[in-house]
Amino acid sequence: SQKIEQNSEALNIQEGKTATLTCNYTNYSPAYLQWYRQDPGRGPVFLLLIRENEKEKRKERLKVTFDTTLKQSLFHITASQPADSATYLCALGDQTGANNLFFGTGTRLTVIP
Amino acid sequence: EAGVTQFPSHSVIEKGQTVTLRCDPISGHDNLYWYRRVMGKEIKFLLHFVKESKQDESGMPNNRFLAERTGGTYSTLKVQPAELEDSGVYFCASSGTAYEQYFGPGTRLTVT
Repeated sequence: SQKIEQNSEALNIQEGKTATLTCNYTNYSPAYLQWYRQDPGRGPVFLLLIRENEKEKRKERLKVTFDTTLKQSLFHITASQPADSATYLCALGDQTGANNLFFGTGTRLTVIP
Repeated sequence: EAGVTQFPSHSVIEKGQTVTLRCDPISGHDNLYWYRRVMGKEIKFLLHFVKESKQDESGMPNNRFLAERTGGTYSTLKVQPAELEDSGVYFCASSGTAYEQYFGPGTRLTVT
């Protein structure tokens, strides 16, 4: 079955620096990959989607890359702020029509002022 | 626009009892998903409705779980009888034609 690993359980970074989170997967060929943000006691919130034929996507201070050869996605937050502190989840999906998502366990990011 | 809502936010029940979780998706969203996160694990897919029809229920753990979606609007997830391992946070999500899913705040279920 598919396996999704996010590089670390927790990541601490200084305010203003770029945070880089990693999502690796095996035994799966997703049609797209999504990144979600989750705050304590809340449901995941969609941030970005990148398709298998796309290398990079940007949205404001966020950037996502997708390498289907390495089976890896990198998620970058530039000029990080304390408000960016949250758990970030990667989720893989296919186009069978169901669009069910397979989630990683998440990386808890803390931006230190 | 109202988001996805779930009720209750918390539920504590004893092993062997029945619990029903409710999800109200975003109005107009045909797709409705149920997911579950047990302690320390990743969020896992349970099932997917398209309108009132079950598109995929491959993630349902066993026949103690029953999901319905009346008239293609709100959905309920019933656990009967509940077991200790059913404890976790149950999320509902909905989507329209795009791939992004909108999640509710979740229902935290504790089975004692």
